[in-house]
Amino acid sequence: EVPLLESGGGLVQPGGSLSLSCAASGFTFSSYAMNWVRQAPGKGLEWVSGITGSGGGTYYADSVKGRFTISRDNSKNTLFVQMNSLRAEDTAVYFCAKTVSGDFYAPFDYWGRGTLVTVSS
Amino acid sequence: DIQMTQSPSSLSASVGDRVTITCRASRGISNSLAWYQQKPGKAPKLLLYVASRLESGVPSRFSGSGSGTDYTLTISSLQPEDFATYFCQQYYSSPHTFGGGTKVEIK
Repeated sequence: EVPLLESGGGLVQPGGSLSLSCAASGFTFSSYAMNWVRQAPGKGLEWVSGITGSGGGTYYADSVKGRFTISRDNSKNTLFVQMNSLRAEDTAVYFCAKTVSGDFYAPFDYWGRGTLVTVSS
Repeated sequence: DIQMTQSPSSLSASVGDRVTITCRASRGISNSLAWYQQKPGKAPKLLLYVASRLESGVPSRFSGSGSGTDYTLTISSLQPEDFATYFCQQYYSSPHTFGGGTKVEIK
């Protein structure tokens, strides 16, 4: 198993901010691209953002570009996403997911259990 | 962005049935296609990638095929543990878009 443990979810008002973390263990964290994927209640999967192993390349869905910032701390084996200007439509379970290789353009072989973000007044 | 159209959105089948799910990309994705299984309240699980390569530990009753824009997931003989929702995903370009999902229910 490759544990990925998300944290930081919760209830936030529209327009507010929240930061999620994903602690990784069991693999050489810096060697793999990482991603955030979300799932609104009862809905499908939506890829949100990804980052290369070095952190030098970041990618975003149009729906979050300019509001979310992905980052990683390879010394602490941790992935982050800073979410600003949150909207009701950002309400979802947020999963972190590891790619099968160091390449960003690769599928996701391990996923965390997810953390729920609820944006509501 | 590449759009992924998955069909059907749901299906009812019996244990032992052969099940086929299709996924169509809005443009060619050069077999950069993965299939995931998700059960309620759980994270998705990778089944296949590069359209037809079985992930380690996944039963051989799951198979994938296709090329260009059209891809298929087949379950050769549906087992009780296979009742779940299945998603395709292209990772050919960013954003890594998912299909809308296919819920496989018990008939």
